[in-house]
Amino acid sequence: AQSVTQLGSHVSVSEGALVLLRCNYSSSVPPYLFWYVQYPNQGLQLLLKYTTGATLVKGINGFEAEFKKSETSFHLTKPSAHMSDAAEYFCAVSDHEGGGADGLTFGKGTHLIIQP
Amino acid sequence: SQTIHQWPATLVQPVGSPLSLECTVEGTSNPNLYWYRQAAGRGLQLLFYSVGIGQISSEVPQNLSASRPQDRQFILSSKKLLLSDSGFYLCAWSIQGFGPQHFGDGTRLSIL
Repeated sequence: AQSVTQLGSHVSVSEGALVLLRCNYSSSVPPYLFWYVQYPNQGLQLLLKYTTGATLVKGINGFEAEFKKSETSFHLTKPSAHMSDAAEYFCAVSDHEGGGADGLTFGKGTHLIIQP
Repeated sequence: SQTIHQWPATLVQPVGSPLSLECTVEGTSNPNLYWYRQAAGRGLQLLFYSVGIGQISSEVPQNLSASRPQDRQFILSSKKLLLSDSGFYLCAWSIQGFGPQHFGDGTRLSIL
């Protein structure tokens, strides 16, 4: 069975500082990994995904994530935080791209707070 | 381009009343469809998924049911709502076999 652990239910950074949101996964097969962002009372928007190939993945809004197999991690980073980055972030794993037939396994989310 | 619609956006229902939430997808054929529930502080829980018309798989036993009467329509229902059914319900779709999941804007369900 797959699982996702997001360290820190809340992360606070200053505007302009580095954003680092941590995600560790477990999977019995090579995983497909995703980061989603959710703004209040909205659905989830895909930030980026890792399937195969290059382990450093670039997404929208200046975010990127690196797949590290040896560490079973897929941490999300952004060099300089912006006030508009304040949101809930979810890491998800699947053994099939797009979840196949049985959906994604999500972490519990990290609430990112940006201090002015 | 593909779009997904969920309605209503918010719903307040009394305990014991029925429920029907609808989700439709446009711009694609034969998608996988999903219903998730998001409870405060508990992340997202997959409730149902469907790989085709009339094909529904349930992930957890509960007071809810799902149906897929048409290729791009997915309905979440209940005959009698419980207080514990409150939450934020999200519909999603993916291209079968590949592609990430894409989410609707969700329905906020409050049970009184």
